[in-house]
Amino acid sequence: DTEVTQTPKHLVMGMTNKKSLKCEQHMGHRAMYWYKQKAKKPPELMFVYSYEKLSINESVPSRFSPECPNSSLLNLHLHALQPEDSALYLCASSQAPGTGLSYEQYFGPGTRLTVT
Amino acid sequence: AQSVTQPDIHITVSEGASLELRCNYSYGATPYLFWYVQSPGQGLQLLLKYFSGDTLVQGIKGFEAEFKRSQSSFNLRKPSVHWSDAAEYFCAVGEGGTASKLTFGTGTRLQVTL
Repeated sequence: DTEVTQTPKHLVMGMTNKKSLKCEQHMGHRAMYWYKQKAKKPPELMFVYSYEKLSINESVPSRFSPECPNSSLLNLHLHALQPEDSALYLCASSQAPGTGLSYEQYFGPGTRLTVT
Repeated sequence: AQSVTQPDIHITVSEGASLELRCNYSYGATPYLFWYVQSPGQGLQLLLKYFSGDTLVQGIKGFEAEFKRSQSSFNLRKPSVHWSDAAEYFCAVGEGGTASKLTFGTGTRLQVTL
């Protein structure tokens, strides 16, 4: 099973709202990722978690707050977003580096976020 | 810094025709290379990967890709395209040793005419 699930599929939020995106995988992967994808553009890496610890933050604004409560779950907490943050948010997972295992990334279907 | 170039923004082929999507990369060491496909509004699906070994790799849905170090290329091919192959295709390179950071090309949109 190479499935990564994301909820919700669609989210509309105002600029003063607080919401969260959820990502889950049951492949035993110990690395998880958040990407942002604007229309007609490639995905842009936001955060990487490895063994439940934040290992990469690509200078993402603090209104995006990631959380990895356990090895299967990854959250992205959203607060005070701007309309330009509207995008498709993709989660991915892989084997952790250094394990000697093949670590291609598997992506979820994404959450379409609209900020009004 | 690593980079990926997909020279073709948009390609149109007839159903049943062969397909080749081009990808050139820039990376100092042996790269980890991937091809992903994305249907509109969907996530990315891994088609195939190259880490080492045989330079011709087979993927899902009848796709294959050939790694050519001398040309810094990793072109995707399919001998006979189906209408369901219409989608956006992304080539990506991962940092050697980790592959944690993927650098994507700008993508090639494939249109299939019947």
